[in-house]
Amino acid sequence: ETGVTQTPRHLVMGMTNKKSLKCEQHLGHNAMYWYKQSAKKPLELMFVYSLEERVENNSVPSRFSPECPNSSHLFLHLHTLQPEDSALYLCASSQYNTDTQYFGPGTRLTVL
Amino acid sequence: AQSVTQLGSHVSVSEGALVLLRCNYSSSVPPYLFWYVQYPNQGLQLLLKYTSAATLVKGINGFEAEFKKSETSFHLTKPSAHMSDAAEYFCAVRNNNAGNMLTFGGGTRLMVKP
Repeated sequence: ETGVTQTPRHLVMGMTNKKSLKCEQHLGHNAMYWYKQSAKKPLELMFVYSLEERVENNSVPSRFSPECPNSSHLFLHLHTLQPEDSALYLCASSQYNTDTQYFGPGTRLTVL
Repeated sequence: AQSVTQLGSHVSVSEGALVLLRCNYSSSVPPYLFWYVQYPNQGLQLLLKYTSAATLVKGINGFEAEFKKSETSFHLTKPSAHMSDAAEYFCAVRNNNAGNMLTFGGGTRLMVKP
């Protein structure tokens, strides 16, 4: 596989469930990102990892918990979400401090 | 802090007509600017980027953008729209803090009429 992959592509969960989103990059990059894309709102950067260490956390609620076990994998653990958390969650990767980010296809999350 | 404004959340053109998507930026330092495209049910794909070299930047699929410092603009154009260009387009500016953070505009949905 090439590029940035995300699984699952679609996820429906209840507010009491615990689930995880997975992102994998095959580009040899050393930085990975989680974005949230909601209807009628600009793309929001949630987390940035560089060399597997968290660099940026834009005041995201604690019900979202990222994990970056190595430079190729990034997870977003979800628990006790709210309906307003329903959105498209996009993963991206880049070489840290270079300009181009490459995006995965996203996970469409629906919280009931 | 950097910011991006995309004028017009929806733009509709006829097939074969000129495409013009507007982007204005705010930055205290020379910016790096990007245009991304998002097709339905897909992630974002880089169309083109400006990184302080030539002010007219050519991208994929016949798109180009011109950096105009005096107007703080980076508008995206294509001479002749195709049906396959229907998508959402995002302008972004690279933040100048640590790392490679991008700030995105609100997006413009391009519709192409036959």
